[in-house]
Amino acid sequence: SQTIHQWPATLVQPVGSPLSLECTVEGTSNPNLYWYRQAAGRGLQLLFYSVGIGQISSEVPQNLSASRPQDRQFILSSKKLLLSDSGFYLCAWAQGAGNTIYFGEGSWLTVV
Amino acid sequence: AQSVTQLDSHVSVSEGTPVLLRCNYSSSYSPSLFWYVQHPNKGLQLLLKYTSAATLVKGINGFEAEFKKSETSFHLTKPSAHMSDAAEYFCVVTNAGGTSYGKLTFGQGTILTVHP
Repeated sequence: SQTIHQWPATLVQPVGSPLSLECTVEGTSNPNLYWYRQAAGRGLQLLFYSVGIGQISSEVPQNLSASRPQDRQFILSSKKLLLSDSGFYLCAWAQGAGNTIYFGEGSWLTVV
Repeated sequence: AQSVTQLDSHVSVSEGTPVLLRCNYSSSYSPSLFWYVQHPNKGLQLLLKYTSAATLVKGINGFEAEFKKSETSFHLTKPSAHMSDAAEYFCVVTNAGGTSYGKLTFGQGTILTVHP
């Protein structure tokens, strides 16, 4: 069966420090991968999505970046965090467009 | 291009009464539509999905939704609310083609409150 792992679950980082959130999917190949952010009191904002290795689409201009070094690995990064980067980050995958989306458990990021 | 609008940010109902959460979408291609639920401090759980089969879709926990192409709507309903239904609900659209291929667009969410 397919599983999705996302870590770390919680993170407290100072302003200006780097960030790396990692997401891996098991039990499938060539999934579509997604990073979402859910800020307090707001809906889910699509940050990045990828339909294949090395293919990253960015939805929102920001100081975050994403990479897909392997088929089932999706990494969210920042060189210098801002206070506004605080939020709940969700990784997700789907086997092609139109199929069920599966979410990771999320990562709580607090920038202080 | 694609977009989703959840028409109500908050819905409040009494236990045992019907639930209606409204969702309108726009899509350049035949869309796939989903409803997800998120309980406090939890991840997202799939309630149901529409992928061009039957227009009335039944999901878990007694929820259902009807795809109406003429109205570009995909409203979520439940005949009788339960206290455990209190959560935030998200409507999601995706396309199988075009420049938005693979992109998932979420609505802003509707918080459902259930009163005893």
